[in-house]
Amino acid sequence: SAVISQKPSRDICQRGTSLTIQCQVDSQVTMMFWYRQQPGQSLTLIATANQGSEATYESGFVIDKFPISRPNLTFSTLTVSNMSPEDSSIYLCSVFNPSTGYGYTFGSGTRLTVV
Amino acid sequence: KQEVTQIPAALSVPEGENLVLNCSFTDSAIYNLQWFRQDPGKGLTSLLLIQSSQREQTSGRLNASLDKSSGRSTLYIAASQPGDSATYLCAVRPGSNYQLIWGAGTKLIIKP
Repeated sequence: SAVISQKPSRDICQRGTSLTIQCQVDSQVTMMFWYRQQPGQSLTLIATANQGSEATYESGFVIDKFPISRPNLTFSTLTVSNMSPEDSSIYLCSVFNPSTGYGYTFGSGTRLTVV
Repeated sequence: KQEVTQIPAALSVPEGENLVLNCSFTDSAIYNLQWFRQDPGKGLTSLLLIQSSQREQTSGRLNASLDKSSGRSTLYIAASQPGDSATYLCAVRPGSNYQLIWGAGTKLIIKP
């Protein structure tokens, strides 16, 4: 299955600043997903990152707050903009693997604390 | 609307016991079901993927079963070890939609 390198693994940021999270995959994948996991909660899908087109955002998430880039089939970034303490969460990228029977693989996560 | 429930929310057992984690879903029309493990503050590790046409999957000490008609999946862990302590999540992929529907997870603690 695909191997995902996600960076940074954790960060502590000041409110009002922005953080960009990167995910690099060791093989070409059609679909990449970005999730948020708030403390004590399950995963919530933020958006689907499509190569060559704008990301598709889920209800409650907007491009101005969470801009996403997908320049090629192995790389994507998620930016958390104008951060507030409510943005403190684990952010995860995930890819869709047709070669493994349509299972999903996740990155190691970025633990973000906004102070 | 598909909903996924995991019971129990938390479980603490002594080392060496065999245990069962439960996952139920409300709509039997699923494409597949996947079990994940999450260590505190970390990402998710895929454990087992069961396609809708399959009844069970095995990997080492782990065995996952799927009963679509009753809307249930179980994750069986044999001879539990302290290293198995983590949160276990099940996720259902409904039909051809690529989105996953997540359970809230079971937090497992294995006491030495």
